Amino acid sequence: AQSVTQLGSHVSVSEGALVLLRCNYSSSVPPYLFWYVQYPNQGLQLLLKYTSAATLVKGINGFEAEFKKSETSFHLTKPSAHMSDAAEYFCAVSEIRGSQGNLIFGKGTKLSVKP
Amino acid sequence: EAQVTQNPRYLITVTGKKLTVTCSQNMNHEYMSWYRQDPGLGLRQIYYSMNVEVTDKGDVPEGYKVSRKEKRNFPLILESPSPNQTSLYFCASSLRVAGGHTQYFGPGTRLTVL
Repeated sequence: AQSVTQLGSHVSVSEGALVLLRCNYSSSVPPYLFWYVQYPNQGLQLLLKYTSAATLVKGINGFEAEFKKSETSFHLTKPSAHMSDAAEYFCAVSEIRGSQGNLIFGKGTKLSVKP
Repeated sequence: EAQVTQNPRYLITVTGKKLTVTCSQNMNHEYMSWYRQDPGLGLRQIYYSMNVEVTDKGDVPEGYKVSRKEKRNFPLILESPSPNQTSLYFCASSLRVAGGHTQYFGPGTRLTVL
């Protein structure tokens, strides 16, 4: 069965510092992996996704994530945090096989950015 | 503009009073889904639909019903709401369920059951 673990429910960084949000997944077959962002009082917006092409995936707003099969990880990074990055971030996994491509979400990581 | 819309955005109701939350998408997507979001639990899937007249249970279907009579609409029905259904609800859609297609989310419906 698929599962997603996000390490750290809250992460706080200073403006300009590196952002690193961790995501580990469990899947018996090659997965699709997603990062979504949720700004306050809004729905979820796709940041980036891995679909078995390049292992380093670039997304919107300067974010990127690297798929590491050996570590079953898909950590999200951004070199320099901006105040507008404060939001909740969700990692999600979807299996490729068959027609059951439902998304399984992690519990989310709330990112705070200090001035 | 391509979008998923939900109505109402906010709803306060009382235990046992039937309600429907509507969801509509204008992208001709086959797949639609309902999630609930609770603090510390992330998003959990309630029901999903692979196409018209094809629906199935997600991880937390108890107390909910859905229907998919038209491709664009996927209403969520609470026949007898209870306080433990107080939550933030999201509808989502994607072109197809398989193949890593992006799910597009509506703005959410915040439901309070007293």
